[in-house]
Amino acid sequence: GQQLNQSPQSMFIQEGEDVSMNCTSSSIFNTWLWYKQDPGEGPVLLIALYKAGELTSNGRLTAQFGITRKDSFLNISASIPSDVGIYFCAGRNQGGSEKLVFGKGTKLTVNP
Amino acid sequence: GAVVSQHPSWVICKSGTSVKIECRSLDFQATTMFWYRQFPKQSLMLMATSNEGSKATYEQGVEKDKFLINHASLTLSTLTVTSAHPEDSSFYICSARDKKTGISPLHFGNGTRLTVT
Repeated sequence: GQQLNQSPQSMFIQEGEDVSMNCTSSSIFNTWLWYKQDPGEGPVLLIALYKAGELTSNGRLTAQFGITRKDSFLNISASIPSDVGIYFCAGRNQGGSEKLVFGKGTKLTVNP
Repeated sequence: GAVVSQHPSWVICKSGTSVKIECRSLDFQATTMFWYRQFPKQSLMLMATSNEGSKATYEQGVEKDKFLINHASLTLSTLTVTSAHPEDSSFYICSARDKKTGISPLHFGNGTRLTVT
């Protein structure tokens, strides 16, 4: 089945630093989504991308939909302690299916 | 914004018993809901797609007779884990697609932690 390669698996950074994570796929997606999950809770949508090349910001977060439609990245600027959590990318393919394929997540730790 | 509510948030049951988990869309109608399972430190794995008024579609390897799904209305889908065993212990999360907004992002519930003893 389809798989998303998300990297890095984990990151340890100092408060104030910028963060970048990305996802790649072997197949084309028509939607890329980025979620954050806190322990014991469901994923919360951060950014949704619908067009190749699209660059979208949400506060300190910026995400881009790769031109090839096979990749996406998420940047977090000036990290703060509450950014701690697991970030997942998810993609929806071109077949019209509603299904989302999830990456394995990036665990972010921010040291104050 | 769109809110998806799951109940209960956690449940402990004995092996062999059945457990029902509810997923509700609170301020929108959802023709399609999805059920995921997440094991510790792993990603979300889709179990099944729940369609209002019709049978659910199960992913490969998911036993439909063990994980019963009922999507009886546009705001409620239920997942029943029948004859639960310890290996069914997991975090179950539902998501819902807003009927009105077309290709809108999926909204997730807060999950249900199932522990089978």
